[in-house]
Amino acid sequence: EVQLLESGGGLVQPGGSLRLSCAASGFTFSSYAMSWVRQAPGKGLEWVSAISGSGGSTYYADSVKGRFTISRDNSKNTLYLQMNSLRPEDTAVYYCARDGTTVPTSFWYFNLWGRGTLVTVSS
Amino acid sequence: DIQMTQSPSSLSASVGDSVTITCQASQGITNYLNWYQQKPGKAPKLLIYDVSNLETGVPSKFSGSGFGTDFTLTIGSLQPEDFATYYCQQANSFPLTFGGGTKVEIK
Repeated sequence: EVQLLESGGGLVQPGGSLRLSCAASGFTFSSYAMSWVRQAPGKGLEWVSAISGSGGSTYYADSVKGRFTISRDNSKNTLYLQMNSLRPEDTAVYYCARDGTTVPTSFWYFNLWGRGTLVTVSS
Repeated sequence: DIQMTQSPSSLSASVGDSVTITCQASQGITNYLNWYQQKPGKAPKLLIYDVSNLETGVPSKFSGSGFGTDFTLTIGSLQPEDFATYYCQQANSFPLTFGGGTKVEIK
């Protein structure tokens, strides 16, 4: 079955760190660019970060640049998001999402999503 | 950054109605505009990519149009399963950005 499964969310204090993982299955992971998209409680969708299929190119929202790091291990079919210096405004459900096209072309629309993992930043 | 403005933010409609949601980009994005549907507690679902291309498995009552800065999503003959929140997303340039969402509720 083609799917994405996020893990690693939880409660963390402001200033703390957390690493999210997204395990992919059912497709050739390395052939797709991947993104993280988050949704604060009761709010809309916010794109967070993206990475190319090879991992050689990464992109970030201004709100997380310098604090979050996206990476992938294609041998483990896993996407990561290392989150440092967390703030209360980072509280959200974090989704991993797959690009709708295979490399070398990425059109940056998302046709496969995980169920999400909740990150709560609070003291 | 490209700002995406959706309108209305919410609407009420009856089963069988047709509705149109608009999305305006703060600058031209050619045809790099996508639409998603999200139901409470669920992940978003891609409906339409590149303005007017229907994702596999999405019924043809969903349609999209537009170019440049102004785009629309039309849903024909609303059914109970269509009541949800809809988001547009631009993929023209980073940072990728979403519209604020349009909640379609039952009248």
